[in-house]
Amino acid sequence: QKEVEQDPGPLSVPEGAIVSLNCTYSNSAFQYFMWYRQYSRKGPELLMYTYSSGNKEDGRFTAQVDKSSKYISLFIRDSQPSDSATYLCAMNTGANNLFFGTGTRLTVIP
Amino acid sequence: DGGITQSPKYLFRKEGQNVTLSCEQNLNHDAMYWYRQDPGQGLRLIYYSQIVNDFQKGDIAEGYSVSREKKESFPLTVTSAQKNPTAFYLCASSTAGSISQPQHFGDGTRLSIL
Repeated sequence: QKEVEQDPGPLSVPEGAIVSLNCTYSNSAFQYFMWYRQYSRKGPELLMYTYSSGNKEDGRFTAQVDKSSKYISLFIRDSQPSDSATYLCAMNTGANNLFFGTGTRLTVIP
Repeated sequence: DGGITQSPKYLFRKEGQNVTLSCEQNLNHDAMYWYRQDPGQGLRLIYYSQIVNDFQKGDIAEGYSVSREKKESFPLTVTSAQKNPTAFYLCASSTAGSISQPQHFGDGTRLSIL
């Protein structure tokens, strides 16, 4: 079983839709959770960084962590064509390296 | 403008050849990392360095080597021992201290076999 599982998609939504991206994980010691956005032929760009459980909001983006279910989510409100990219989740315990999901490819259709 | 610069953007390797990928950062970060990204496999850690003149192997270090002589620079050499080098290589950096600090990435080097 992989440490981090992420549905690869692809996911296509109309402009203005609410997007939900998710990852599950197996290691209950993970405490630090990140979401990255990666455009084609570019490096990942940090979107959200959270510690432990709860929600964090930044503009149209909300990151949610449910440690009891070992499940994290990224919500994108009012999605735009410029949100079309691959979204990677990443996490660690704070004492080891980052574990990445394989990424979900999102397309927002104008 | 602070950031991480990787060069070249595209690189081709011949059989038996070593090639070196450059990574420079001006973020004043102490820690630097090299990842390999393959389709459907996510990012895998090759090497990382938390301080100058020190580095550790990641999950897939075989066939790779690194050096960290300067804080700003962390070059990766893909040796001829790496039999499947075709991939997208990403360099990252983070601030000092806990490895839990978020990492910031360069725009990658795509390496292909000739």
